[in-house]
Amino acid sequence: QSVLTQPPSVSGAPGQRVTISCTGISSKIGAGYDVHWYQQVPGAAPKLLIYGNSYRPSGVPDRFSGSKSGTSASLAITGLQVEDEADYYCQSYDSSLSGYVFGTGTKVTVL
Amino acid sequence: QVQLVESGGGVVQPGRSLRLSCAASGFTFSSYAMFWVRQAPGKGLQWVALISYDGSYKYHTDSVKGRFTISRDNSKNTLYLQMNSLRTEDTALYYCARASGWGDTYYFDHWGQGALVTVSS
Repeated sequence: QSVLTQPPSVSGAPGQRVTISCTGISSKIGAGYDVHWYQQVPGAAPKLLIYGNSYRPSGVPDRFSGSKSGTSASLAITGLQVEDEADYYCQSYDSSLSGYVFGTGTKVTVL
Repeated sequence: QVQLVESGGGVVQPGRSLRLSCAASGFTFSSYAMFWVRQAPGKGLQWVALISYDGSYKYHTDSVKGRFTISRDNSKNTLYLQMNSLRTEDTALYYCARASGWGDTYYFDHWGQGALVTVSS
């Protein structure tokens, strides 16, 4: 079960900027826990995109950026490309559940 | 390069057991915590279990507590998930994932390709 809320879908034309929000209650993001982001291309395993709210692993293009404020976090994709079509998930920690939680997932479509 | 290869998936009847394995290579397996994360067909991601680098700490999500057990053999660079009393709602693609960070900051920096478990009569 997912307890971090994301929009089901976002879309944009090639070259545009899109953002994906990840909203959690106070026991999660608002409690100061880090947020991480994953990209899952259809038929493939998830891939780490952003860790520690805003850090990119080596090899991830700088078109992808993450931020966190209060009880929400965001992933931004600038210069949208066709290969960015995928599902995106945020992930954090929930002290009330004593466990790791994922967002509901967002499908990005390039128009 | 880091590689995680799951095996052991299959079709099983409700109430039966299955053991998944994850063979790790390309990194010092004994230095990393490891997770199992699952994804039901067409659904999102759910963490299943966590094991510390040395196997001394294990934690399972509530829905599998008492039925699933995570373990590891650092001499074989292999992670396991023993799944007992399987239910239809356990049907999913099971990924093993390497964890980086610590405790409540854990994130998953490498994933296997997944092992499909189908629980059906």
